[in-house]
Amino acid sequence: EPEVTQTPSHQVTQMGQEVILRCVPISNHLYFYWYRQILGQKVEFLVSFYNNEISEKSEIFDDQFSVERPDGSNFTLKIRSTKLEDSAMYFCASSPTSGAPGAQYFGPGTRLLVL
Amino acid sequence: GDSVTQMEGPVTLSEEAFLTINCTYTATGYPSLFWYVQYPGEGLQLLLKATKADDKGSNKGFEATYRKETTSFHLEKGSVQVSDSAVYFCALRKSRDDKIIFGKGTRLHILP
Repeated sequence: EPEVTQTPSHQVTQMGQEVILRCVPISNHLYFYWYRQILGQKVEFLVSFYNNEISEKSEIFDDQFSVERPDGSNFTLKIRSTKLEDSAMYFCASSPTSGAPGAQYFGPGTRLLVL
Repeated sequence: GDSVTQMEGPVTLSEEAFLTINCTYTATGYPSLFWYVQYPGEGLQLLLKATKADDKGSNKGFEATYRKETTSFHLEKGSVQVSDSAVYFCALRKSRDDKIIFGKGTRLHILP
């Protein structure tokens, strides 16, 4: 069964450093998303991406964040200058385009720790 | 705005007990509704879904019925197992390209 994959599974970085989180969505999906989950809290939407552009972003997704689909398979989230409060689990998700609003399929997550 | 409210946890039950986790939603239009499960140390897995009123989603012995009149999507299981211990998230999505809105999650502990 196809699945969303994410790398790395864990990342530790110093405050102020740039990090890039990588995702490979399910191959025939066209909508892509990033969410984050601060430890013990709810899952929060960051950004959605379709047709090579951002379709929606939350207030969390400020100028420090960017997303890119550099090739036909990868989908990346970049944090330019990490803050302590960026420490969280980051989930990538993808969904197909047809039919009623169906489920999004989530990757296993990248746990980011900013020191 | 659109939102999902689910019962606070943790919920602790003995094995083979009956489980209900309440979930209600606020949304315009006709959202699809989901339950996701997060096992310890793992990501989010889709447990079940329902895309229109009166639909019943089911999987692994879990069920939930989309009740538009009460804006609810309560999760039930007749006989829980220790392996069901996890965090359960109720969620909604309004259109096929829209984000998912999650509830805060309910942690479930099943005692042997």
